[in-house]
Amino acid sequence: SQQGEEDPQALSIQEGENATMNCSYKTSINNLQWYRQNSGRGLVHLILIRSNEREKHSGRLRVTLDTSKKSSSLLITASRAADTASYFCATDLSGGYQKVTFGTGTKLQVIP
Amino acid sequence: DTAVSQTPKYLVTQMGNDKSIKCEQNLGHDTMYWYKQDSKKFLKIMFSYNNKELIINETVPNRFSPKSPDKAHLNLHINSLELGDSAVYFCASSQQQRGTRVYEQYFGPGTRLTVT
Repeated sequence: SQQGEEDPQALSIQEGENATMNCSYKTSINNLQWYRQNSGRGLVHLILIRSNEREKHSGRLRVTLDTSKKSSSLLITASRAADTASYFCATDLSGGYQKVTFGTGTKLQVIP
Repeated sequence: DTAVSQTPKYLVTQMGNDKSIKCEQNLGHDTMYWYKQDSKKFLKIMFSYNNKELIINETVPNRFSPKSPDKAHLNLHINSLELGDSAVYFCASSQQQRGTRVYEQYFGPGTRLTVT
């Protein structure tokens, strides 16, 4: 079973709207990361949040982490057509080493 | 000035053949990875090397053998290719984990392998 599962699997919004994606995981983690994958490309790192942090911002991105609920959310504000991509959360387990497990991904489509 | 490069980008081959995918990073990272992404976009770690030493070896068939001649290169050799090996294979690199601090991974563009 997957360590991280994103919800929704697919999301379609109009340009300018906000997009929220959620990630749930099963076991305690050290860090949680979000990555973006454009069609036919490799993944690109967006943001990393540590287990002792609750919120982090980077430009139009806002990530929250709730370790009690084992969940994280990624908010993209004022979306653009260029934000169209798949978004993955990735977790590394407490006590683990160098192994990051990716979730199932949310496919975001931003309609111009 | 490509950070992580892979060759080839596309690979079409027949069942039973042996093939290799090459990966190089110029970021000075200590750790390199191979991932397999299936048709449903699920990304699964296969191997990880740190300073040429194998540190992660998931339940991957013995037909897959990684080789790291130096810190900057991690190649993947696949013997006796099967239909189920068809997927996109990604190489990635990162700085070495320090305590509980992990670092972002930089991904290559992927190699789309099609086995017929």
